Amino acid sequence: GENVEQHPSTLSVQEGDSAVIKCTYSDSASNYFPWYKQELGKGPQLIIDIRSNVGEKKDQRIAVTLNKTAKHFSLHITETQPEDSAVYFCAAGGYSTLTFGKGTMLLVSP
Amino acid sequence: GAGVSQSPSNKVTEKGKDVELRCDPISGHTALYWYRQRLGQGLEFLIYFQGNSAPDKSGLPSDRFSAERTGESVSTLTIQRTQQEDSAVYLCASSPGLAGPPPSAQYFGPGTRLTVT
Repeated sequence: GENVEQHPSTLSVQEGDSAVIKCTYSDSASNYFPWYKQELGKGPQLIIDIRSNVGEKKDQRIAVTLNKTAKHFSLHITETQPEDSAVYFCAAGGYSTLTFGKGTMLLVSP
Repeated sequence: GAGVSQSPSNKVTEKGKDVELRCDPISGHTALYWYRQRLGQGLEFLIYFQGNSAPDKSGLPSDRFSAERTGESVSTLTIQRTQQEDSAVYLCASSPGLAGPPPSAQYFGPGTRLTVT
């Protein structure tokens, strides 16, 4: 089955800095890679996703890159703000199910 | 429109009792998923429903866990003879499934926090 590794487990940045979270996956058949943001006491919220026919996707301050050859994908957040503080999960999958990484706790200090 | 809703939001039960958790998916979503999230951990897949097809139960940790879904509506996750290790947040997600272009995004509810004492 699919295996997703996510790094780092915690990331502390100053407001205004950039943050990068990286994930690797094992199953070359995976073709869908979403990222979720989970705030304390809430369910995960989809923030951006990318499909295997695209190498990069951007939405305002967040972007995701995908390297299918190397089987890794990354989340980039620019100009971080305190409200970006949360746990971020990557996931990889195909038509039906997703396998999630263990999460990255991002702390943005004012 | 309305998102995924789950009830109850919190449940405290005694070891050995049965519990039933409910999930209302987004209207029109044919696929529904249950996940378990232990404190500080990632999401552990439990079960997946797609329309009227047989569910994918490959993630259920033991035969004490079961889930049902009637058509493309409400789902219930039942845990029998609860144990302390069942304490976790149980998350439900729905997606357009076959009703949309594959693969389709999953949208999560707020979860049910289960505490077994």
